[in-house]
Amino acid sequence: DAGITQSPRHKVTETGTPVTLRCHQTENHRYMYWYRQDPGHGLRLIHYSYGVKDTDKGEVSDGYSVSRSKTEDFLLTLESATSSQTSVYFCAISEGTGRRELFFGEGSRLTVL
Amino acid sequence: KQEVTQIPAALSVPEGENLVLNCSFTDSAIYNLQWFRQDPGKGLTSLLLIQSSQREQTSGRLNASLDKSSGRSTLYIAASQPGDSATYLCALPSGPSQAGTALIFGKGTTLSVSS
Repeated sequence: DAGITQSPRHKVTETGTPVTLRCHQTENHRYMYWYRQDPGHGLRLIHYSYGVKDTDKGEVSDGYSVSRSKTEDFLLTLESATSSQTSVYFCAISEGTGRRELFFGEGSRLTVL
Repeated sequence: KQEVTQIPAALSVPEGENLVLNCSFTDSAIYNLQWFRQDPGKGLTSLLLIQSSQREQTSGRLNASLDKSSGRSTLYIAASQPGDSATYLCALPSGPSQAGTALIFGKGTTLSVSS
């Protein structure tokens, strides 16, 4: 299994509070992604990173920010959480070259009350 | 914009049956296509990846085919088992060749295999 660790795995928070989810990889892959998964919508890309300090927006980036200060860590921040951000968040990694196979973490379940 | 469709959304079969899951996409200029499995409450596990130059890939009882001209991929599962029960998703890059292009996912087919 690809070495991807997400933390926390479960979090309950209140509307308006800041939340940071962490993705840590041990594969030294260049590309890292944050997806959210919701019933009826499937998996949708929030943000991705193509290198240290290099990030770009995905399909559903509003209300989210990301940072990548080290190759192994990719942080997703909800500056002021809303109930619509209740979801399961998945981190994924890819070498970005060759086969470009995508590997996923176990997910972080976030509930915003 | 690439769109990915998986039909049916759910499928129930008895153990031992051979089955086919379908994945359709709108833009045939793809780099590759990946099939994943997701168990309830878990992350996605990569099953097979087919490059655009390939017609099929096999892993054990799984065989994935790719027909770019018709915008279709199929995942064939032979001799299904209760342990195959899961949601199966297909995904492909949103762009044809850009390195690290994020994947667009179908909504999946939830398979239930009864013993």
